[in-house]
Amino acid sequence: QSVLTQPPSVSGTPGQRVTMFCSGSYFNIGSNYVYWYQQVPGTAPKLLIYKNNQRPSGVPDRFSGSKSGTSASLAISGLRSEDETDYYCAAWDDTKKGWVFGGGTKLTVL
Amino acid sequence: EVQLVESGGNLVQPGGFLILSCATSGFIFSKYWMSWVRQAPGKGLEWVANINPDGSTKYYVDSVKGRFTISRDNAKNSLRLEMSNLTDEDTAVYYCLNDMDFWGQGTLVTVSS
Repeated sequence: QSVLTQPPSVSGTPGQRVTMFCSGSYFNIGSNYVYWYQQVPGTAPKLLIYKNNQRPSGVPDRFSGSKSGTSASLAISGLRSEDETDYYCAAWDDTKKGWVFGGGTKLTVL
Repeated sequence: EVQLVESGGNLVQPGGFLILSCATSGFIFSKYWMSWVRQAPGKGLEWVANINPDGSTKYYVDSVKGRFTISRDNAKNSLRLEMSNLTDEDTAVYYCLNDMDFWGQGTLVTVSS
Protein backbone atom coordinates (compact mmCIF):
# COMPACT_ATOMS: atom_id res chain seq x y z
CA GLN A 1 0.00 0.00 0.00
CA SER A 2 1.42 3.34 -1.07
CA VAL A 3 2.04 6.17 1.38
CA LEU A 4 0.47 8.66 -1.02
CA THR A 5 -3.03 7.86 -2.19
CA GLN A 6 -4.10 8.25 -5.80
CA PRO A 7 -7.31 7.05 -7.45
CA PRO A 8 -6.58 4.01 -9.63
CA SER A 9 -8.25 5.58 -12.64
CA VAL A 10 -9.78 8.73 -14.06
CA SER A 11 -11.28 9.38 -17.44
CA GLY A 12 -12.28 12.21 -19.72
CA THR A 13 -13.18 13.02 -23.28
CA PRO A 14 -10.99 14.84 -25.81
CA GLY A 15 -10.82 18.54 -25.12
CA GLN A 16 -12.09 18.17 -21.59
CA ARG A 17 -10.25 19.18 -18.41
CA VAL A 18 -9.51 16.41 -15.93
CA THR A 19 -8.07 16.64 -12.45
CA MET A 20 -6.42 13.85 -10.50
CA PHE A 21 -5.59 13.98 -6.83
CA CYS A 22 -2.85 12.79 -4.54
CA SER A 23 -3.45 12.59 -0.81
CA GLY A 24 -0.80 12.34 1.88
CA SER A 25 -0.02 13.60 5.35
CA TYR A 26 1.59 16.53 7.13
CA PHE A 27 4.94 14.74 7.00
CA ASN A 28 5.10 14.42 3.23
CA ILE A 29 2.79 16.58 1.10
CA GLY A 30 2.01 18.87 4.00
CA SER A 31 5.65 19.78 4.54
CA ASN A 32 7.39 19.22 1.22
CA TYR A 33 7.13 19.78 -2.49
CA VAL A 34 5.05 17.51 -4.69
CA TYR A 35 6.29 16.09 -7.98
CA TRP A 36 4.22 14.57 -10.77
CA TYR A 37 5.41 12.06 -13.36
CA GLN A 38 3.92 10.70 -16.55
CA GLN A 39 4.78 7.15 -17.58
CA VAL A 40 3.93 5.49 -20.84
CA PRO A 41 3.99 1.73 -20.18
CA GLY A 42 7.32 0.19 -21.11
CA THR A 43 9.19 3.49 -20.91
CA ALA A 44 10.83 5.53 -18.17
CA PRO A 45 8.73 8.06 -16.26
CA LYS A 46 8.97 11.68 -17.29
CA LEU A 47 8.81 14.68 -14.97
CA LEU A 48 5.65 16.72 -15.53
CA ILE A 49 5.49 19.00 -12.50
CA TYR A 50 8.08 19.82 -9.84
CA LYS A 51 7.88 21.88 -6.65
CA ASN A 52 4.07 21.64 -6.61
CA ASN A 53 3.32 23.71 -9.69
CA GLN A 54 6.43 24.23 -11.80
CA ARG A 55 6.63 22.86 -15.33
CA PRO A 56 9.96 21.75 -16.80
CA SER A 57 10.76 23.19 -20.18
CA GLY A 58 9.02 21.24 -22.90
CA VAL A 59 5.98 20.30 -20.83
CA PRO A 60 2.87 21.91 -22.34
CA ASP A 61 0.97 24.44 -20.24
CA ARG A 62 -2.05 22.12 -20.51
CA PHE A 63 -0.51 20.43 -17.48
CA SER A 64 -0.74 22.22 -14.15
CA GLY A 65 -0.16 21.29 -10.53
CA SER A 66 -1.35 22.63 -7.23
CA LYS A 67 -1.17 21.79 -3.54
CA SER A 68 -3.36 22.53 -0.58
CA GLY A 69 -2.61 21.20 2.87
CA THR A 70 -1.94 17.49 2.64
CA SER A 71 -3.32 17.03 -0.86
CA ALA A 72 -2.09 17.83 -4.33
CA SER A 73 -3.66 17.75 -7.75
CA LEU A 74 -2.64 17.50 -11.37
CA ALA A 75 -4.92 19.06 -13.94
CA ILE A 76 -4.81 18.40 -17.65
CA SER A 77 -6.78 20.69 -19.89
CA GLY A 78 -7.56 20.22 -23.57
CA LEU A 79 -7.34 16.47 -23.11
CA ARG A 80 -5.70 14.58 -25.98
CA SER A 81 -5.58 10.90 -26.82
CA GLU A 82 -1.83 10.85 -26.22
CA ASP A 83 -2.45 11.84 -22.57
CA GLU A 84 -3.89 8.38 -21.98
CA THR A 85 -1.29 6.79 -19.75
CA ASP A 86 -0.18 6.51 -16.11
CA TYR A 87 0.53 9.36 -13.70
CA TYR A 88 2.36 9.26 -10.36
CA CYS A 89 2.78 11.77 -7.56
CA ALA A 90 5.76 11.83 -5.20
CA ALA A 91 7.02 13.78 -2.19
CA TRP A 92 9.76 13.57 0.40
CA ASP A 93 8.56 12.12 3.71
CA ASP A 94 10.16 13.62 6.81
CA THR A 95 9.43 10.65 9.07
CA LYS A 96 10.47 7.93 6.63
CA LYS A 97 13.47 9.98 5.51
CA GLY A 98 12.76 9.00 1.95
CA TRP A 99 10.72 9.71 -1.12
CA VAL A 100 7.24 8.25 -1.27
CA PHE A 101 5.10 7.69 -4.34
CA GLY A 102 1.42 7.34 -4.98
CA GLY A 103 0.18 4.11 -6.46
CA GLY A 104 -0.46 5.78 -9.79
CA THR A 105 -3.53 6.87 -11.71
CA LYS A 106 -4.39 5.52 -15.13
CA LEU A 107 -5.95 8.18 -17.32
CA THR A 108 -8.34 6.97 -20.00
CA VAL A 109 -9.36 9.27 -22.82
CA LEU A 110 -12.80 8.12 -23.93
CA GLU B 1 21.50 17.17 -22.86
CA VAL B 2 21.15 15.27 -19.60
CA GLN B 3 21.81 11.56 -20.02
CA LEU B 4 21.59 8.78 -17.45
CA VAL B 5 22.49 5.27 -18.58
CA GLU B 6 22.02 2.36 -16.21
CA SER B 7 23.76 -0.97 -16.57
CA GLY B 8 24.37 -4.15 -14.63
CA GLY B 9 20.89 -5.61 -14.52
CA ASN B 10 20.80 -9.38 -14.79
CA LEU B 11 19.20 -12.62 -13.69
CA VAL B 12 20.47 -13.53 -10.22
CA GLN B 13 19.58 -16.27 -7.78
CA PRO B 14 17.88 -15.56 -4.45
CA GLY B 15 20.49 -14.59 -1.91
CA GLY B 16 22.75 -13.35 -4.66
CA PHE B 17 24.65 -10.12 -5.21
CA LEU B 18 24.53 -7.57 -8.01
CA ILE B 19 25.98 -4.15 -8.74
CA LEU B 20 24.15 -1.56 -10.80
CA SER B 21 25.89 1.40 -12.35
CA CYS B 22 24.65 4.67 -13.79
CA ALA B 23 26.81 6.70 -16.15
CA THR B 24 25.81 10.33 -16.40
CA SER B 25 26.52 13.31 -18.62
CA GLY B 26 25.11 16.70 -19.52
CA PHE B 27 24.98 18.19 -16.02
CA ILE B 28 27.32 18.94 -13.13
CA PHE B 29 27.03 15.57 -11.40
CA SER B 30 28.87 16.64 -8.25
CA LYS B 31 26.21 19.23 -7.43
CA TYR B 32 23.15 16.97 -7.44
CA TRP B 33 21.45 14.52 -5.16
CA MET B 34 21.06 11.23 -7.01
CA SER B 35 18.45 8.51 -6.51
CA TRP B 36 17.54 4.97 -7.46
CA VAL B 37 13.86 4.17 -8.03
CA ARG B 38 12.51 0.76 -8.98
CA GLN B 39 9.38 -0.63 -10.56
CA ALA B 40 8.36 -4.24 -10.15
CA PRO B 41 6.62 -5.83 -13.15
CA GLY B 42 3.12 -4.42 -13.51
CA LYS B 43 3.49 -2.36 -10.32
CA GLY B 44 4.03 1.26 -9.36
CA LEU B 45 7.17 3.23 -8.60
CA GLU B 46 9.17 2.71 -5.41
CA TRP B 47 12.03 4.94 -4.31
CA VAL B 48 15.00 2.84 -3.19
CA ALA B 49 17.82 5.12 -2.07
CA ASN B 50 19.46 8.48 -2.56
CA ILE B 51 22.79 10.14 -1.88
CA ASN B 52 23.80 13.76 -1.42
CA PRO B 53 26.28 15.56 -3.69
CA ASP B 54 29.42 14.76 -1.71
CA GLY B 55 28.35 11.24 -0.78
CA SER B 56 28.25 11.89 2.94
CA THR B 57 24.50 11.38 3.41
CA LYS B 58 22.53 8.36 2.22
CA TYR B 59 18.94 7.32 2.74
CA TYR B 60 17.27 3.99 2.02
CA VAL B 61 13.76 2.59 1.94
CA ASP B 62 13.27 0.26 4.90
CA SER B 63 13.00 -2.88 2.76
CA VAL B 64 16.58 -2.57 1.47
CA LYS B 65 18.38 -1.22 4.55
CA GLY B 66 21.37 -3.36 5.40
CA ARG B 67 21.28 -5.09 1.99
CA PHE B 68 21.75 -2.26 -0.54
CA THR B 69 24.50 0.38 -0.64
CA ILE B 70 24.38 3.48 -2.75
CA SER B 71 27.60 5.26 -3.67
CA ARG B 72 28.95 7.74 -6.17
CA ASP B 73 32.16 8.70 -7.91
CA ASN B 74 32.09 12.40 -8.66
CA ALA B 75 35.33 12.18 -10.63
CA LYS B 76 33.69 9.71 -13.01
CA ASN B 77 30.17 11.18 -12.91
CA SER B 78 28.80 7.81 -11.95
CA LEU B 79 26.34 6.34 -9.47
CA ARG B 80 26.34 2.81 -8.11
CA LEU B 81 23.98 0.51 -6.26
CA GLU B 82 25.35 -2.61 -4.60
CA MET B 83 22.63 -5.12 -3.86
CA SER B 84 23.11 -8.18 -1.68
CA ASN B 85 20.95 -10.94 -0.22
CA LEU B 86 18.50 -10.41 -3.07
CA THR B 87 14.97 -11.78 -2.91
CA ASP B 88 12.27 -12.17 -5.52
CA GLU B 89 10.71 -8.98 -4.16
CA ASP B 90 13.72 -7.10 -5.52
CA THR B 91 12.80 -8.07 -9.07
CA ALA B 92 12.21 -4.79 -10.88
CA VAL B 93 13.43 -2.28 -13.40
CA TYR B 94 15.86 0.00 -11.58
CA TYR B 95 16.05 3.63 -12.66
CA CYS B 96 18.77 6.16 -11.91
CA LEU B 97 17.55 9.72 -11.29
CA ASN B 98 19.07 13.14 -11.15
CA ASP B 99 17.50 15.01 -8.22
CA MET B 100 14.13 13.34 -8.91
CA ASP B 101 14.02 15.12 -12.28
CA PHE B 102 15.63 13.21 -15.13
CA TRP B 103 15.33 9.43 -15.39
CA GLY B 104 17.52 6.89 -17.12
CA GLN B 105 16.01 4.19 -19.30
CA GLY B 106 16.29 1.59 -16.53
CA THR B 107 17.96 -1.77 -16.10
CA LEU B 108 16.12 -5.00 -15.31
CA VAL B 109 17.02 -7.04 -12.26
CA THR B 110 15.40 -10.48 -12.06
CA VAL B 111 15.80 -12.54 -8.92
CA SER B 112 14.85 -16.14 -9.57
CA SER B 113 16.16 -19.64 -9.15
